[in-house]
Amino acid sequence: AQKITQTQPGMFVQEKEAVTLDCTYDTSDQSYGLFWYKQPSSGEMIFLIYQGSYDEQNATEGRYSLNFQKARKSANLVISASQLGDSAMYFCAMRDRNYGQNFVFGPGTRLSVLP
Amino acid sequence: GAVVSQHPSRVICKSGTSVKIECRSLDFQATTMFWYRQFPKQSLMLMATSNEGSKATYEQGVEKDKFLINHASLTLSTLTVTSAHPEDSSFYICSAREDDARMTSTDTQYFGPGTRLTVL
Repeated sequence: AQKITQTQPGMFVQEKEAVTLDCTYDTSDQSYGLFWYKQPSSGEMIFLIYQGSYDEQNATEGRYSLNFQKARKSANLVISASQLGDSAMYFCAMRDRNYGQNFVFGPGTRLSVLP
Repeated sequence: GAVVSQHPSRVICKSGTSVKIECRSLDFQATTMFWYRQFPKQSLMLMATSNEGSKATYEQGVEKDKFLINHASLTLSTLTVTSAHPEDSSFYICSAREDDARMTSTDTQYFGPGTRLTVL
């Protein structure tokens, strides 16, 4: 069965510093997609970044980058130059053909940015 | 970008009543929509996949008679929580997949803003 693990329930980072949020996954499918979403206290799910299993380069979107290590089945999110508005829950998610293309979400990491 | 709306954003009801939540794709057609439930401080759990013109597919452990899903058009899916009880209090989020997105693992879903249900 598909599984997403996020081992950090909570993380603190100083404003303007970089932070890495961990995500490991498990799938038997060779074709899959990895996603990161941000959920602020309002509850909306904000798409941040996507990495395909066949993508050779790590994905980047502005201050967000994904450290994709396929052999280790990890897809860590790196946020550079943290801002106070980055404080939120962050969910790692995966989609593959084994689960009918539906999302499987990790348990989430709560990031708190300190001034 | 694609936008998905949900209505209402917040609802409080008495135990035993039924509550309907609407999910609309505003600028694209969505044959497939998804309903998730999120309890406080927990992750999103898929409840069911809503398919336009056919019956919804429910995840294991989700009571189909309690959570009625209707996907009557390409832009609207509704979730009705029947005879709601306090344990049904939760944050319900829908998402929609664009019809013309490639049916691979690479396409993304667009999430609605969520509906917070409180059953007294």
